[in-house]
Amino acid sequence: GAVVSQHPSWVICKSGTSVKIECRSLDFQATTMFWYRQFPKQSLMLMATSNEGSKATYEQGVEKDKFLINHASLTLSTLTVTSAHPEDSSFYICSARAFLAGGPDTQYFGPGTRLTVL
Amino acid sequence: AQKVTQAQTEISVVEKEDVTLDCVYETRDTTYYLFWYKQPPSGELVFLIRRNSFDEQNEISGRYSWNFQKSTSSFNFTITASQVVDSAVYFCALSLRTYKYIFGTGTRLKVLA
Repeated sequence: GAVVSQHPSWVICKSGTSVKIECRSLDFQATTMFWYRQFPKQSLMLMATSNEGSKATYEQGVEKDKFLINHASLTLSTLTVTSAHPEDSSFYICSARAFLAGGPDTQYFGPGTRLTVL
Repeated sequence: AQKVTQAQTEISVVEKEDVTLDCVYETRDTTYYLFWYKQPPSGELVFLIRRNSFDEQNEISGRYSWNFQKSTSSFNFTITASQVVDSAVYFCALSLRTYKYIFGTGTRLKVLA
């Protein structure tokens, strides 16, 4: 099966610091990865689409200078929350798009990263 | 515009009861995909089913069944003989040619022993 990992699984940081979250496709290559944010008891909201070797595409209302996305390889995308503030505290989930043998085009989700900004 | 509506915010049932979670979607595209995911307290999304817009066959998988009706733009999910382990938040999602997922607001299911 297709496995997507995220690191760290949880992080606590001080206000004003930057935090980097990694998303890796472990057993397949993903030219496209997605980053979602989920506030408590709310739905998942797409933040951006990350394409390997090119700039990420951000959804309306998402600050690209605050949420830096880098997709440097076919198995790794990173999300850096710069100058984090308490309102950035959330559950961040990534997904990787894959075409696996015999199966349809599907997104595979990582386990999520819980960010708490003090 | 594309949208997914899960009108039921929270449902509580007693173990062994059947429960249906509703999902209504909006899109003008003729090609799209619908999904159901389970999100237990751990937070990790668990894939349940994918259905494309050209396949209206209902599906059954163990205690789970799905009813897809294009005429009413609905993709409902039924759990038969619910169990405490079914307690979670369930999300319905829509995917178009852009491959972006549009999630509904989720339904929190509580199954009481």
